[in-house]
Amino acid sequence: QKEVEQNSGPLSVPEGAIASLNCTYSDRGSQSFFWYRQYSGKSPELIMSIYSNGDKEDGRFTAQLNKASQYVSLLIRDSQPSDSATYLCAVNLLIKAAGNKLTFGGGTRVLVKP
Amino acid sequence: NAGVTQTPKFQVLKTGQSMTLQCAQDMNHNSMYWYRQDPGMGLRLIYYSASEGTTDKGEVPNGYNVSRLNKREFSLRLESAAPSQTSVYFCASSVPQHRDPSNQPQHFGDGTRLSIL
Repeated sequence: QKEVEQNSGPLSVPEGAIASLNCTYSDRGSQSFFWYRQYSGKSPELIMSIYSNGDKEDGRFTAQLNKASQYVSLLIRDSQPSDSATYLCAVNLLIKAAGNKLTFGGGTRVLVKP
Repeated sequence: NAGVTQTPKFQVLKTGQSMTLQCAQDMNHNSMYWYRQDPGMGLRLIYYSASEGTTDKGEVPNGYNVSRLNKREFSLRLESAAPSQTSVYFCASSVPQHRDPSNQPQHFGDGTRLSIL
């Protein structure tokens, strides 16, 4: 089992619909969780961070964390063609403590069709 | 607002050549990182520096060396390049949020696309 796992996709979503992305992680003691967006040929860009169980909303993005089930998800509401990108889940795994190392999932490619 | 600056943006090397990738950040961040990204492999940590004067191996350090020159700069060196090191290399930096070491979102440079023939 990979330490941070994501479905590689592509996740095809009609414009205006909700895109739902999931990420599971292996270390129950992990504390910090991040979602990055990466356009083709570009660098990863931080879009959300979450640290507590529950939901965190920022504009059209909602991150959801369930530490008991060891998953974190990202919802993109009212999806736009400009949301077409690869979304990377990153986790600060306690087992790799040094406090500041992140382990990245392989990413989910999202395609929003007009 | 430069953020994290990487040079060069593109480079082609021959097998056996050496090269240093440069990275500088102007955000006064303590920690810096080097990753490589290959298709289907995601981002893999090569080396990192938790603070000025310290460096540690990441997941895939073989064939690389690093230098944390000062708080701003963190360089990655390939001593004898191999075709397996063809990749996109990203530098990143971070600083604890709210004094929590585990709460350190990383900020990335634009990457260096390196091809080794």
